[in-house]
Order: sequence, then C-alpha cells, then structure tokens
Amino acid sequence: GAVVSQHPSRVICKSGTSVKIECRSLDFQATTMFWYRQFPKKSLMLMATSNEGSKATYEQGVEKDKFLINHASLTLSTLTVTSAHPEDSSFYICSPLGTEAFFGQGTRLTVV
Amino acid sequence: EDQVTQSPEALRLQEGESSSLNCSYTVSGLRGLFWYRQDPGKGPEFLFTLYSAGEEKEKERLKATLTKKESFLHITAPKPEDSATYLCAVQRTGANNLFFGTGTRLTVIP
Repeated sequence: GAVVSQHPSRVICKSGTSVKIECRSLDFQATTMFWYRQFPKKSLMLMATSNEGSKATYEQGVEKDKFLINHASLTLSTLTVTSAHPEDSSFYICSPLGTEAFFGQGTRLTVV
Repeated sequence: EDQVTQSPEALRLQEGESSSLNCSYTVSGLRGLFWYRQDPGKGPEFLFTLYSAGEEKEKERLKATLTKKESFLHITAPKPEDSATYLCAVQRTGANNLFFGTGTRLTVIP
C-alpha cells in the first residue's frame, strides 16, 4: 500500500496567490522529507529537505521565501508556494527519508 | 559534480521487441543506483536498487544490471503496458537524497 500520501494532485491558481501542498507519511514517522520539482521532459530536481521540528534546508537557487516548508509533525510536511507566478508551474513531488522506494503521487501546479 | 545521463531519450518498440535502456553515471562514491517507472502525471514507482558493480536484479520482464560506470535496464518481450518513462537515479555515499537522470520515454506499440 501507499507509504506517503500527497495532496492535491492538481491545482490551478491565479498569479499572486499561494498554494499549499501536503505530504503525509502513512504508518511510519518521517523525520525528514525531500521535496523535488520536475519540469516537463526534465529530471526530478531536489528543491529542499524538510526536517521535523527544525528549519528546512534549500538547494542552491531555490528561494526559501517563495517555497515555504513546514514539517511540524512526524507525519506531515507541507510546501507552500507563495505569490505564485507562471514560472512556478511544475510538478512537485515529496519522498520521505529512508524510503527511497516511495514517492508521493505528485502535485501538478498550474499558475495562470 | 554528480552526473546521470540516460539514453536514448525516447524509444519506440514493437510489442515483443526486446531492448535495453542505458544510465551512465558519475558520482563521488556510489551508495546506490535506483530505477523507477513514471507514468504521466504520477510520482515515480520504484523498480530496483543496485548497490555494487556486477549486481543484477529482475522483476517480470525487467532486468537491471550495474557496472562501475553505467547501469542497464533490459526489457524482454515488452508489452504496451510497459510504456512509461523510466528514470535512473544515484544516491551518493554520505547523502540521503537522489540525483536523477532525465529519463527514457518508452512506447511499446501493439
């Protein structure tokens, strides 16, 4: 069965608004969650690593003020895209540490 | 710098026509090499992990092999339902995240 549940699967939002993506670990405690972004016909790129109870670490070139990550509990990590713009349109995917076998279902974000 | 190159970028096969996908990698210490299948609009689905050169793993029509420089995903007698993008990723020693290639888009024609 699914190890991680990601919602929503699709979202369309207007420029300037914020969107929250949730990633829940099922039946286990995820102390760390990886967030990836995938552009069309491109590879998955690591954006940031969220750690339960502490600040997330961001990869070079990823704006931490635009992509807010919260990992308030061992079962929930959230990614909020703030003041979204069309260039933020992408496919966002989460994966818990220690379960390289499992990824969330992904969220297709379209900013119009 | 870690590098993962997958080839070909796209591959069209007739049903039953066996072939191989390539994943060449450069990494400063390989902890593991991963193969995934990804369907459009979905997250990657785990297939295999390989840890050392010479290792092989099989699952149904798929077989993955690993050398010190590359990995192959062999597809034997593919079926249309094998159509998907196949992703290769490496995990460096001392790191937990994965570094992905751009994938091979496989289409199997009935």
